[in-house]
Amino acid sequence: AQSVTQLGSHVSVSEGALVLLRCNYSSSVPPYLFWYVQYPNQGLQLLLKYTSAATLVKGINGFEAEFKKSETSFHLTKPSAHMSDAAEYFCAVSRGSTLGRLYFGRGTQLTVWP
Amino acid sequence: EAGVTQFPSHSVIEKGQTVTLRCDPISGHDNLYWYRRVMGKEIKFLLHFVKESKQDESGMPNNRFLAERTGGTYSTLKVQPAELEDSGVYFCASSQEVGVFSYEQYFGPGTRLTVT
Repeated sequence: AQSVTQLGSHVSVSEGALVLLRCNYSSSVPPYLFWYVQYPNQGLQLLLKYTSAATLVKGINGFEAEFKKSETSFHLTKPSAHMSDAAEYFCAVSRGSTLGRLYFGRGTQLTVWP
Repeated sequence: EAGVTQFPSHSVIEKGQTVTLRCDPISGHDNLYWYRRVMGKEIKFLLHFVKESKQDESGMPNNRFLAERTGGTYSTLKVQPAELEDSGVYFCASSQEVGVFSYEQYFGPGTRLTVT
C-alpha cells in the first residue's frame, strides 16, 4: 500500500530563510514521488518529481528535494524563501509509474513573513 | 494552450439534490483523473479514465457518484443524491501518454462543493 505523511500542516518562515517541508512515504513498490504546489484559486502545479533517476531532484522556483530510501523521505527544500512562495504544498506518491493514481499527503501551508 | 478547466468553481446545494461537475482536460490528453479533498484531509483519488474507458474507479465512495467521459473528451461527475459528507473540493487532472511513457498530471482549479 502507498501512503504519504507530511509533518507539519503549517510552516512559517521569514523571507530569506531556509524552507524545509517534510514528507515521508510508504510504498510496496519502488515509488515515484512528487511535490505539488497550490496557489490560491489555482490548480495544483508540479514542482518536481522523482522517477528513480538522480536522488537529488531540482524543480521550479528554486526548490529541490532529495530521495532518501533508507529514511523513506522526500523532503522539499529551498535555500531562501520568497514572499511569492506562500502557498500550500502537497507531497504525493504513485505506484512505480507516472501513470495512474496519486496518493497525497495532507498538505503543508507555507507562510512567509517579511 | 489552455489548461484543465472545471465548472462550476463553486456549488452550494441542499442535501438530497443532484449536482453535476464538469471537467475539460487539456486537448489531446487521453488520461483524465478525478480527485476529492474533504476539508482537513488529504486529496483522495476517485477514478481514472483512459479515453472514454474507466481504467480505475476503485476510489469512488459509493454508487451515488457517477462519472462519465463520453467521446473521450470532457468528463462529468454526478452526485445523486448529495449528502453532507460529499462536501469538499473536487479536482480534475489530465495527462498525456506517449507509448510507454506518461507525463505529469495537470490539475484544474477544482470545484468547491458545499452540501447543506
